Amino acid sequence: AQTVTQSQPEMSVQEAETVTLSCTYDTSESDYYLFWYKQPPSRQMILVIRQEAYKQQNATENRFSVNFQKAAKSFSLKISDSQLGDAAMYFCAYRETSGSRLTFGEGTQLTVNP
Amino acid sequence: DAGVIQSPRHEVTEMGQEVTLRCKPISGHNSLFWYRQTMMRGLELLIYFNNNVPIDDSGMPEDRFSAKMPNASFSTLKIQPSEPRDSAVYFCASSLRVPRTPYEQYFGPGTRLTVT
Repeated sequence: AQTVTQSQPEMSVQEAETVTLSCTYDTSESDYYLFWYKQPPSRQMILVIRQEAYKQQNATENRFSVNFQKAAKSFSLKISDSQLGDAAMYFCAYRETSGSRLTFGEGTQLTVNP
Repeated sequence: DAGVIQSPRHEVTEMGQEVTLRCKPISGHNSLFWYRQTMMRGLELLIYFNNNVPIDDSGMPEDRFSAKMPNASFSTLKIQPSEPRDSAVYFCASSLRVPRTPYEQYFGPGTRLTVT
């Protein structure tokens, strides 16, 4: 079974600085999708960024980018120029290409200090 | 687009009572998911439907839980009888499933269930 691990329960960053959240996963599949979701205090789950495993190029969305290392099964999220609104719980998630089920990591609580 | 709609947003009930959570997916979406979020177990998939048909209910904890999707615009998750350990936030999500694409699951605001 696929598993997703986020080894950092909590992280903090100063406003305007950069922070990287870690995620590793375990799978025997060669093709799959990876996602980062954000859950602010409102508890609404919001998609931040997605990566297709067959693509070597790392995905970017404005201040958010990923470092996808397929051989190492690592998928970290980098947030540049951190803003107070980035404070949230961040979840890494995995989905097989042929499936619908999302498998989530345990989450990382990000605090942004002014 | 109204997004995924869930009701109620909060539910407090006594042990042994029946609880029904409701979800209206985004119009045009063909997949619907029910998740449960707790501190102990994190986010876990309970069941999902494709085209109103239950595909995988392996995450449903036990027979006290049941889910239905009578049509493309409505789904319910029922707990009968409820127990204190069912206290959690229950999320409904929907997506337009296109095979072999990284389609997004859109989440509702969740229902916070408290069973006393």
